[in-house]
Amino acid sequence: AQKITQTQPGMFVQEKEAVTLDCTYDTSDPSYGLFWYKQPSSGEMIFLIYQGSYDQQNATEGRYSLNFQKARKSANLVISASQLGDSAMYFCAMRDLLGSARQLTFGSGTQLTVLP
Amino acid sequence: DAGVIQSPRHEVTEMGQEVTLRCKPISGHDYLFWYRQTMMRGLELLIYFNNNVPIDDSGMPEDRFSAKMPNASFSTLKIQPSEPRDSAVYFCASSRQGKREKLFFGSGTQLSVL
Repeated sequence: AQKITQTQPGMFVQEKEAVTLDCTYDTSDPSYGLFWYKQPSSGEMIFLIYQGSYDQQNATEGRYSLNFQKARKSANLVISASQLGDSAMYFCAMRDLLGSARQLTFGSGTQLTVLP
Repeated sequence: DAGVIQSPRHEVTEMGQEVTLRCKPISGHDYLFWYRQTMMRGLELLIYFNNNVPIDDSGMPEDRFSAKMPNASFSTLKIQPSEPRDSAVYFCASSRQGKREKLFFGSGTQLSVL
């Protein structure tokens, strides 16, 4: 069974600063994918970034990067140059890439507040 | 391209009433997922379909919940009879075939059962 742990219920960051949101996972699957989603106060779920367990490099998408440490089973999201619009709930999720299951398993989320 | 479309956006009903939530996935997507989000339990998978066939319904809470996908462009989640503990945000999501494919989520239905 897969498990995602996000230990930071809430985080604060000053505008224009970088922030790291933690995500650790537990799985017995040798091949898996890790996803990050953003949920602003309006409620929609917005995909941010994807990392495959066998990808050679850490994923980056604009101001978002993923600090993937496979041995530690962590996939932390780094947001550089925070903006007020980054204030939202952030979810880490994973999926097994070898088995037949297609659903994502989500963590409990981290509420990020960007301060002006 | 239109995203995943859910209706209604908000639903308020009384305990015991039947509730039907609707979802139109993105055209060409092979998978459709129903998730429920609550403060206590976070995001939980209820059921998902592949090419209109239910694959995993182990997350459906009980017999009061049922889901159908009569064709590739439409799915329903029905609760009958509804109870106050069903109050939550219900999300529909769809994705393409590949295992690296991300899920595209609808805007969700905020359900309140009084």
